[in-house]
Amino acid sequence: GQNIDQPTEMTATEGAIVQINCTYQTSGFNGLFWYQQHAGEAPTFLSYNVLDGLEEKGRFSSFLSRSKGYSYLLLKELQMKDSASYLCAVRDSNYQLIWGAGTKLIIKP
Amino acid sequence: EAEVAQSPRYKITEKSQAVAFWCDPISGHATLYWYRQILGQGPELLVQFQDESVVDDSQLPKDRFSAERLKGVDSTLKIQPAELGDSAMYLCASSLGQGEGLATDTQYFGPGTRLTVL
Repeated sequence: GQNIDQPTEMTATEGAIVQINCTYQTSGFNGLFWYQQHAGEAPTFLSYNVLDGLEEKGRFSSFLSRSKGYSYLLLKELQMKDSASYLCAVRDSNYQLIWGAGTKLIIKP
Repeated sequence: EAEVAQSPRYKITEKSQAVAFWCDPISGHATLYWYRQILGQGPELLVQFQDESVVDDSQLPKDRFSAERLKGVDSTLKIQPAELGDSAMYLCASSLGQGEGLATDTQYFGPGTRLTVL
């Protein structure tokens, strides 16, 4: 079967750095997405990786290792507004998105 | 900035009643998705349209759920009759879904409809 694993919840301090990991086992691979979802709201697109390496977008970076079936989302200079769930999703060989359950990130002052 | 529109934002209904949700995708997006999301879980795909055709409805409970996208633009998802277990967030998303960029095809979500069945 297809599976995506993320930690259920993480806590970090305002101004710090946090890394949210995602491991996947899917039928084929056509890219990995990260979405941010604030409580009660819809997911918003953050990043896309299809090649190995690091993609940087301001305070957010996303890393991919296809050989290890592993990605992480790195958030720097954490702000209170970064408190949200972060969803990892993988596009499989049929171009279908397989979603993880999300990681709830709690930021403390 | 173009957005996916959904209505209503909130719906409270009693079990056995019928409910309907509406979605208007970003203009020019050929692919439309309906998802159900239960608190603490990732989105679960219910149905995917490419223009007016259903591409995937394998997870749609067809005894009570129906979806249509008659003119290949906006879409309606219906539940009849609603059950207590249908309480969830119903999300609509759209993507370009055409051409050679399928791998990078990014889904953009509407604000969702929060359904509560009493």
